[in-house]
Amino acid sequence: AQTVTQSQPEMSVQEAETVTLSCTYDTSESDYYLFWYKQPPSRQMILVIRQEAYKQQNATENRFSVNFQKAAKSFSLKISDSQLGDAAMYFCAFWGRAGNMLTFGGGTRLMVKP
Amino acid sequence: NAGVTQTPKFRILKIGQSMTLQCTQDMNHNYMYWYRQDPGMGLKLIYYSVGAGITDKGEVPNGYNVSRSTTEDFPLRLELAAPSQTSVYFCASRFSGTPGGQDTQYFGPGTRLTVL
Repeated sequence: AQTVTQSQPEMSVQEAETVTLSCTYDTSESDYYLFWYKQPPSRQMILVIRQEAYKQQNATENRFSVNFQKAAKSFSLKISDSQLGDAAMYFCAFWGRAGNMLTFGGGTRLMVKP
Repeated sequence: NAGVTQTPKFRILKIGQSMTLQCTQDMNHNYMYWYRQDPGMGLKLIYYSVGAGITDKGEVPNGYNVSRSTTEDFPLRLELAAPSQTSVYFCASRFSGTPGGQDTQYFGPGTRLTVL
């Protein structure tokens, strides 16, 4: 079974600064996907970014980028130029081709200070 | 195109009551999922379906039942509600053309259920 660990229950960042959220995972699979989801107070789950394990290039979506270290099984999310609207819970999630489910980490609450 | 819709948004149940959470998607997705999210936690998979007529258990299926008679609908049934089922329930769907293939999971807005 896969496990996903987010070691930072809460993080805080000043508006316009950069913050990095950590995620590690454990799996024996070689073909998988990794995701970051954002959950604002509305509770809606919003896909932020995804990474295919076979791709060496780190995924980027506007102000959001990842640092994917496959050997270390690490998948961190960097948010640049943080905005007040970035304040939310962020969940790291794992999808393996051998299974049919997303495995979620426990989440990191991000606070953005004006 | 509404995406994934869930009803109701909120519900309070008494211990021992039953109810059905509704989920509908209009994207012709073959895979559908039910998750629960306990306070301060990530989501855990209850049941999923790979297509009409096919369902399977996830991590935490006890106390729940599902059916999938159409591609669009995937209701979740709670029988004999217990306080441990107090949670937020999310339905999700995705399209996959091949087994194990991956595309983005789209989530509904959630149903907040309280069992007293």
